[in-house]
Amino acid sequence: DAGVTQSPTHLIKTRGQQVTLRCSPKSGHDTVSWYQQALGQGPQFIFQYYEEEERQRGNFPDRFSGHQFPNYSSELNVNALLLGDSALYLCASSFLGTIGPGELFFGEGSRLTVL
Amino acid sequence: DQQVKQNSPSLSVQEGRISILNCDYTNSMFDYFLWYKKYPAEGPTFLISISSIKDKNEDGRFTVFLNKSAKHLSLHIVPSQPGDSAVYFCAARVSGYALNFGKGTSLLVTP
Repeated sequence: DAGVTQSPTHLIKTRGQQVTLRCSPKSGHDTVSWYQQALGQGPQFIFQYYEEEERQRGNFPDRFSGHQFPNYSSELNVNALLLGDSALYLCASSFLGTIGPGELFFGEGSRLTVL
Repeated sequence: DQQVKQNSPSLSVQEGRISILNCDYTNSMFDYFLWYKKYPAEGPTFLISISSIKDKNEDGRFTVFLNKSAKHLSLHIVPSQPGDSAVYFCAARVSGYALNFGKGTSLLVTP
């Protein structure tokens, strides 16, 4: 049973460019959340998708957008990249019907470097 | 504003001894508190959680204590093993979806 898979694992972009990160949730999961982890910081919530709609959003600008597909996979798009966007981007999946919050599974992340 | 704080960036403990990792929070609306463990080049993995209506939860070598009046929780690992060496994140949730994470504490268990 594959867990949460993310691609690419590493990428380098320059300021002003756009990037798309991809995530496939764990089998049986229908909800995908994205987190940004800057160096030396804890993960920060970006947004969550369920049934192809954004359910909740953290304190991130509109340059950050996402999408969820019918097969529950998701993309994170960041436009007009800034140096401060350099971070590890983590995807986490869960099943909406889960009561406890512990059933949140993280992928290994996509390491984005903006030069 | 940081609602979940881990004030110790690092901790070193000898194998077999107790590791105590601490976490403070400011939001009294949090209904669940969790600890995640992260190895390099891996995503965080869930370790243990506690509901805000409880003051203790135990799972094998791991125990989490919650002191709501002090807005403080701690993770005890007994006995500590070298394989426990990792970054530990404290996280909390207001009823809903998003987790608020602390900055993490790097635990090193030495033989």
